[in-house]
Amino acid sequence: NAGVTQTPKFQVLKTGQSMTLQCAQDMNHEYMSWYRQDPGMGLRLIHYSVGAGITDQGEVPNGYNVSRSTTEDFPLRLLSAAPSQTSVYFCASSYGGQGWANEKLFFGSGTQLSVL
Amino acid sequence: GNSVTQMEGPVTLSEEAFLTINCTYTATGYPSLFWYVQYPGEGLQLLLKATKADDKGSNKGFEATYRKETTSFHLEKGSVQVSDSAVYFCALSLIQGAQKLVFGQGTRLTINP
Repeated sequence: NAGVTQTPKFQVLKTGQSMTLQCAQDMNHEYMSWYRQDPGMGLRLIHYSVGAGITDQGEVPNGYNVSRSTTEDFPLRLLSAAPSQTSVYFCASSYGGQGWANEKLFFGSGTQLSVL
Repeated sequence: GNSVTQMEGPVTLSEEAFLTINCTYTATGYPSLFWYVQYPGEGLQLLLKATKADDKGSNKGFEATYRKETTSFHLEKGSVQVSDSAVYFCALSLIQGAQKLVFGQGTRLTINP
């Protein structure tokens, strides 16, 4: 029972480089999202998707790109990495739809990214 | 805007002590409220939730009551264990579902034996 799987766990980039953080879930969840976690600031929503082919911006979308071609996968792309993007990134998913189950997020274990 | 404020950490307690982690919120509507816990090296896990005023969420000995009059959702546990050491996040959601959770800054809790 894998749940939400993120890769890589650690990454170091140089300023200006691009990369993709991978996220996959095997629970057939409609809703997927990306958060970044910074010291003293909690988690902030970057982008989210309510189903394949549908994405929208969260609180801090600048410098990031997403797409949702399948229900299972929701990659996060850094277009041109900057030191301000040094953070821990979490992917999360949920069932979607109505009801209590809709409101529980399942989180991956995170990707620690450093931009030099 | 919508926001969540938690008590400053870190918090250090001895085993079997009583725990309170304060959480207050500001919201334009009637949010659902959550506590998530993050154990070292792991992602966040839902600990408990409440969806309307006066609801009490509970799980693993933790409790929190949704207080609309004081806009609060304080986390409590009567007797903490070393295994409760983690970072605790209070959060709110203003629409049906978890699409746009707003998190507090987190409170690191350390329990000493």
